Amino acid sequence: DGGITQSPKYLFRKEGQNVTLSCEQNLNHDAMYWYRQDPGQGLRLIYYSQIVNDFQKGDIAEGYSVSREKKESFPLTVTSAQKNPTAFYLCASSTPGAGLAKNIQYFGAGTRLSVL
Amino acid sequence: AQKITQTQPGMFVQEKEAVTLDCTYDTSDPSYGLFWYKQPSSGEMIFLIYQGSYDQQNATEGRYSLNFQKARKSANLVISASQLGDSAMYFCAMREGRTSGSRLTFGEGTQLTVNP
Repeated sequence: DGGITQSPKYLFRKEGQNVTLSCEQNLNHDAMYWYRQDPGQGLRLIYYSQIVNDFQKGDIAEGYSVSREKKESFPLTVTSAQKNPTAFYLCASSTPGAGLAKNIQYFGAGTRLSVL
Repeated sequence: AQKITQTQPGMFVQEKEAVTLDCTYDTSDPSYGLFWYKQPSSGEMIFLIYQGSYDQQNATEGRYSLNFQKARKSANLVISASQLGDSAMYFCAMREGRTSGSRLTFGEGTQLTVNP
């Protein structure tokens, strides 16, 4: 089945530790996105990539890093510089497009990150 | 300024009745797209409906319709014949043509509860 797979479903981080969240898609989409969701809040964009080997910062990129070496994969690293990483992280993908283009973003099931 | 405003933190509706979830937006870009997503308690975001800024008719998808009032900058979601499975968070989102590429800006959501 085509879709977006995020792993792990739950992740725990110790103080000073970097952790990496996985996002894989088999929808053949060029664009991929990472969002953060805090309880009772909407989604905020961390990073996005519209093509392999290129990515842009979103609204809350500080303390996070990404890579886009393959079309199917867009891993997110939560670094020790992110002082409040506890949140729900959602990955999405779409065909690239702007403005009026429908280009629906499809989402994975998310990863819940907590600090020990 | 908030680009997407959802003023109803929570809404209640009786099963089989219709419900309207409010969304207002703010943009100076003439080309934009508006999206509604549903987020069940499992966390995954599910695309419901899309409206482009130049679409002449209101979008409809099954029991979902979008009441698009461009002059008022509102894009309210109407769910007809509510079902228990409609209980979830609902998010309105916008993509602007000139300034944001393919990225979406989300509102803070409305929690809908359908009562039997």
